[in-house]
Parts: sequence; C-alpha cells; structure tokens
Amino acid sequence: DAKTTQPNSMESNEEEPVHLPCNHSTISGTDYIHWYRQLPSQGPEYVIHGLTSNVNNRMASLAIAEDRKSSTLILHRATLRDAAVYYCILREDAGGTSYGKLTFGQGTILTVHP
Amino acid sequence: DAGVTQSPTHLIKTRGQHVTLRCSPISGHKSVSWYQQVLGQGPQFIFQYYEKEERGRGNFPDRFSARQFPNYSSELNVNALLLGDSALYLCASHTGNANTGELFFGEGSRLTVL
Repeated sequence: DAKTTQPNSMESNEEEPVHLPCNHSTISGTDYIHWYRQLPSQGPEYVIHGLTSNVNNRMASLAIAEDRKSSTLILHRATLRDAAVYYCILREDAGGTSYGKLTFGQGTILTVHP
Repeated sequence: DAGVTQSPTHLIKTRGQHVTLRCSPISGHKSVSWYQQVLGQGPQFIFQYYEKEERGRGNFPDRFSARQFPNYSSELNVNALLLGDSALYLCASHTGNANTGELFFGEGSRLTVL
C-alpha cells in the first residue's frame, strides 16, 4: 500500500485558514487522494478527495501538487468544531463495485484555539 | 435520513468469549466495510462486503468473520476474544459505485475485553 506522511499535530486559531500537508511520494497513477477527519468519540467523516486537479467543496479545498507527490488540505476559516484528527489516505481505483480499503495512518491532530 | 447505525454501542466481554457486532448501512447502500480502531491509532481495514459477497479482507486472523444479509445489513463476529481485541469497531457503508468517493462511517461499537 502506498503510504502517506503527515505531521503529528498542528495548531490554529479560530477563523484563520489552516493548511494541512501530506506527502505521498510513492503514489501511483490510479491512486485517489482522500481526506477524512475524526472528531472525538465519532467515526471518521469524509472531507474531500481528488485525483489530479484541485478540488473544492463546502467543507474544504484540496490542492494537489503537479507531480502528485504531495497535497494540502485547506480549511478556509477554522472553527472550534474543526478540531479533529485529519487523515490523508491513498485509495487505489479498484473500479466497478469495489470501493477498496482505506489505509489510515496516524493522522494530524488539529487543535483550534478560540 | 438515518446514517449508518451500529449496535451495541458499548460492550464488555471476557477473554475466550465470542462477540457479534451489527451494522445497518444507509438506505440504498449495498456495500459495507468493517474497521478496527485501537486506542491512539487510525482505523484498520477488516472486511468489505458487496451484495453479500466478500470483496476484501484485511490482515486479521480467522477468529474474525463477517457476513452481509439480503437487506445489506452486516454482522462482524469475533471468536475466542483476546485482550488485544479491545477496540472501537467501525462499520462504513458505500453505494457500491466505486466512482463515488465517500465512505459513510457509523459511530462504532466499543468493545472491552477483560
């Protein structure tokens, strides 16, 4: 399984942007880049995913490097509710009806200060 | 609409016992996956099922088994419990269309083995 590397922890102030980095130098051409987050005492929650192009949704933006060996999750205005563990995951495109497995690492613990 | 529901939410067993965990996916979702999350670590993939067929298995011993029913609900069974099986067991559902990027996780079943 292709691996990702993330900082163990990051801190931010409320209402400021947050840039969460992820390195994935062994990514293959068919790997999607996924981000999930896990709030305390809850299951993981999907944030965003992409393949080659930058992606935006209501929760966040995903910036993917041109060589795809790194990516950055951007939270435009952090809130206290964004405090969570953020996981950067590579998912192989299994095609058809098989979603495949997510291989979670340790993730980045994001602390948001009021 | 109801999300992924899991039962029981908490349970305590002793070594050597057997446990059955249950999961109901989101209505219309045909695929269910199971993950184990040990305290302080990211979730680890156990099984994936689609239309009652096993589509993937993680690196877990044969004491772990699962099945999916015609209504797409699923059970995870663990025999001969060990102390190391203490963890949060997460169920995730998916539409079955691999092009859809999002897995929906339940809040998990917290198993404590004494």
